[in-house]
Amino acid sequence: QSALTQPASVSGSLGQSITISCTGTSGDIGFYNFVSWYQQHPGNAPRLIIHEVTNRPSGVSNRFSGSKSGNTASLTISGLQAEDETDYYCSSWTTRGTYVFGTGTKVTVL
Amino acid sequence: EVQLVESGGGVVQPGGSLRLSCIGSGFTFSSHEMSWVRQAPGKGLEWVSWISSSGTPLNYADSVKGRFAISRDNAKHSLYLQINSLRAEDTAIYYCVRDRYSAGDALDIWGQGTMVTVSS
Repeated sequence: QSALTQPASVSGSLGQSITISCTGTSGDIGFYNFVSWYQQHPGNAPRLIIHEVTNRPSGVSNRFSGSKSGNTASLTISGLQAEDETDYYCSSWTTRGTYVFGTGTKVTVL
Repeated sequence: EVQLVESGGGVVQPGGSLRLSCIGSGFTFSSHEMSWVRQAPGKGLEWVSWISSSGTPLNYADSVKGRFAISRDNAKHSLYLQINSLRAEDTAIYYCVRDRYSAGDALDIWGQGTMVTVSS
């Protein structure tokens, strides 16, 4: 199972919006609406920020939003803040009955 | 508080074995599917294995199939990962993770991780 493809890095200025893409196949992102996104600060465990493509768990800022089109999912962070500078991973359930993660994206706030 | 706590990591020689454990608290452990996810030093997340709430079915990443075995004891609120024939590339933090509501839904609760180092 190959990893989902994410850009290695994305940057934006304070207050701006950025979008991270996550490209899979018809056997994962394209098949299920089980796309999730995770935020991971250095030295910490990942934290779920989006589930089922568009849904935010309780306590997650509404500045985070998700979408999907075909085999590609996206995470948008609006009103970029300094604390958003960290790593982000997408994930999808697959037709093989496994999870697959994205390659990870480092977000830099300029 | 909903919590997962892993244990059992350590330094092991290539070819060796370890048994990782995870105890869940603050939720109905027997109602949730569970996974193991690992992260090699400085690298991304890699899903390792998944087990249903009842114990079957279960599944593995191709990279560990035949060497790792996932199991659970719902009476003890515990998840396990038996890792055998360890290789250098198995060196990673191993996270115990809860499926949110159903298989494949999302991984909503993560433990703090336990480090496995394979080195001679």
